Amino acid sequence: EVQLVESGGGVVKPGGSLRLSCAASGFIFTGFSMHWVRQAPGRGPEWVSWISGSTTSIYYTDSVKGRFTISRDNAQNSLYLQMDSLRADDTAVYYCARDLSAYSYDYWGRGTLVTVSS
Amino acid sequence: QSALTQPASVSGSPGQSIAISCTGTSSDVGAYNYVSWYQQHPGKAPKLIIYDVSNRPSGVSSRFSGSKSGNTASLSISGLQAEDEADYYCSSYTTSSTGLFGTGTKVTVL
Repeated sequence: EVQLVESGGGVVKPGGSLRLSCAASGFIFTGFSMHWVRQAPGRGPEWVSWISGSTTSIYYTDSVKGRFTISRDNAQNSLYLQMDSLRADDTAVYYCARDLSAYSYDYWGRGTLVTVSS
Repeated sequence: QSALTQPASVSGSPGQSIAISCTGTSSDVGAYNYVSWYQQHPGKAPKLIIYDVSNRPSGVSSRFSGSKSGNTASLSISGLQAEDEADYYCSSYTTSSTGLFGTGTKVTVL
């Protein structure tokens, strides 16, 4: 059974940092590219970042470029999102999601809540 | 990039058919056959119901179908059921190698 479990969310002050993790199981992790998708309270999902299975390709949405870093450890079946210089508008539930076909997301975790507030 | 445009709400009676549109541009929806659709119930993660415009993942009801014409994609739900009441989002791959979601549509079963 495919499982994705996010962790690392919490409350942080503006300008602070957090590192999110996503533990994957039930599939060949290296065979799939992965995404981070976030959803602010009461809003729709927003794509954040993508990383290829081999880690050779990475993309970000414009609003997080230079502040967020996606990475993965294929030996540990884990996906990460390092978030620096956090802003209030980064407040959201952050989901990791598996890529099925060109940015379609077939499995999602339950999400981890990030709140940026002073 | 601005979110893909969806109607805010669509409603129908049980057994009826409804359709939800998703309008983008030639840089996203119109560029590739990489449009997907998601169903989201309150407090839950989105669930993939259509990928690559018209393909259904295993286990998704055949009552859900997708299509695309130009810069507009559509999701159709036939034989509307109470359990279909949820928020629906489209998503597209873009020419910038990024992802783009729609504004979302609340489906109400009357």
